[in-house]
Amino acid sequence: AQKVTQAQTEISVVEKEDVTLDCVYETRDTTYYLFWYKQPPSGELVFLIRRNSFDEQNEISGRYSWNFQKSTSSFNFTITASQVVDSAVYFCALSDLDQTGANNLFFGTGTRLTVIP
Amino acid sequence: NAGVTQTPKFRVLKTGQSMTLLCAQDMNHEYMYWYRQDPGMGLRLIHYSVGEGTTAKGEVPDGYNVSRLKKQNFLLGLESAAPSQTSVYFCASRGQTYSGANVLTFGAGSRLTVL
Repeated sequence: AQKVTQAQTEISVVEKEDVTLDCVYETRDTTYYLFWYKQPPSGELVFLIRRNSFDEQNEISGRYSWNFQKSTSSFNFTITASQVVDSAVYFCALSDLDQTGANNLFFGTGTRLTVIP
Repeated sequence: NAGVTQTPKFRVLKTGQSMTLLCAQDMNHEYMYWYRQDPGMGLRLIHYSVGEGTTAKGEVPDGYNVSRLKKQNFLLGLESAAPSQTSVYFCASRGQTYSGANVLTFGAGSRLTVL
């Protein structure tokens, strides 16, 4: 069965520090997708990144970077030079390629990041 | 370009009352989903639909019913609300392309409290 573990429940950092959010997943599928979503205090869910299981290249987008390692089943997310606006709950998720093609997402429990000014 | 709209945004119910949450999307998406979010639990899938007239159970379907009579609408019903159904409910949708690749578009959420 699919499972996503975000062991860090809450993290606090001082502004401008770097921070890494951990995500470990379990799946029997050979083809799967991993996602990160951000949920700011306003409550909506904002898509950040999607990565498929065949692409292990790390990705950088501005201050955000992602490290995907199949060998350790991890998909970690790093924010460089954190800002107060980065304060949010961050969810890692794994897609389920079931027979209906429903693309059900299995979410981790989230990591609440607080950036202190 | 409203995307995914959920109504109502907030609702307080008494135990045993019934209600329906409405999700509407204007993107002509085939797939629609209902999730609930609880503290420390992340988001869990309640029910989903792969097209008009179809529904299927997710991870936590008990106590809920759904209907997809129109492609753009996905209704979530609580026939007899219980305090355990106090939660924030999110609707999401996606188009019909290669499964797994699509990004879900989420609504803003509906906060339900059952007293």
